Amino acid sequence: RKEVEQDPGPFNVPEGATVAFNCTYSNSASQSFFWYRQDCRKEPKLLMSVYSSGNEDGRFTAQLNRASQYISLLIRDSKLSDSATYLCVVPRSGTYKYIFGTGTRLKVLA
Amino acid sequence: EAQVTQNPRYLITVTGKKLTVTCSQNMNHEYMSWYRQDPGLGLRQIYYSMNVEVTDKGDVPEGYKVSRKEKRNFPLILESPSPNQTSLYFCASSLSIISSSGGRGNEQFFGPGTRLTVL
Repeated sequence: RKEVEQDPGPFNVPEGATVAFNCTYSNSASQSFFWYRQDCRKEPKLLMSVYSSGNEDGRFTAQLNRASQYISLLIRDSKLSDSATYLCVVPRSGTYKYIFGTGTRLKVLA
Repeated sequence: EAQVTQNPRYLITVTGKKLTVTCSQNMNHEYMSWYRQDPGLGLRQIYYSMNVEVTDKGDVPEGYKVSRKEKRNFPLILESPSPNQTSLYFCASSLSIISSSGGRGNEQFFGPGTRLTVL
């Protein structure tokens, strides 16, 4: 099992739709989780940090399910500008390293 | 403006010709890191540094060197580049990971990337 796993997509959704995707992680001791947004071959930019059960910022909600070891990202009222790849990042417990998922690609269609 | 800068942004070189990619941050961050990004493999950590003169290997360190003589700078050195090092490279910085045992990290700020081609 990969340490951090994401469905690569693409998720094709119409404007205004709600879309959610998950990120599973293997280490039950992990305490912090991050969602980054990456536009085509540009630098990743932080979208949300999750340190407890979840976090919400406008149209974006991240939820942590410790029992099943996954975090989800929910995007409401999708905009064309939300089209990007969403990366899940988890520090590797017991080290000072970060593990990235391979990303989920989202396409919002007009 | 708080930022991470990398230079050069684009580089085409030949096998065996030593090169250095510079990285600098102005946020007084302790933690700095280098990643490479390849299609289908995502971002993989090459080296990281917890502070000045403290560096350690990431998951794919072979063929790379780093140094951290000043807090703001973290150059990536390829002593003898090979074609399999053709990739998109990102430098990142953050406040230190709070606790390695608990896997509690901090958000990272990324540089704009360096696209390297080794012929």
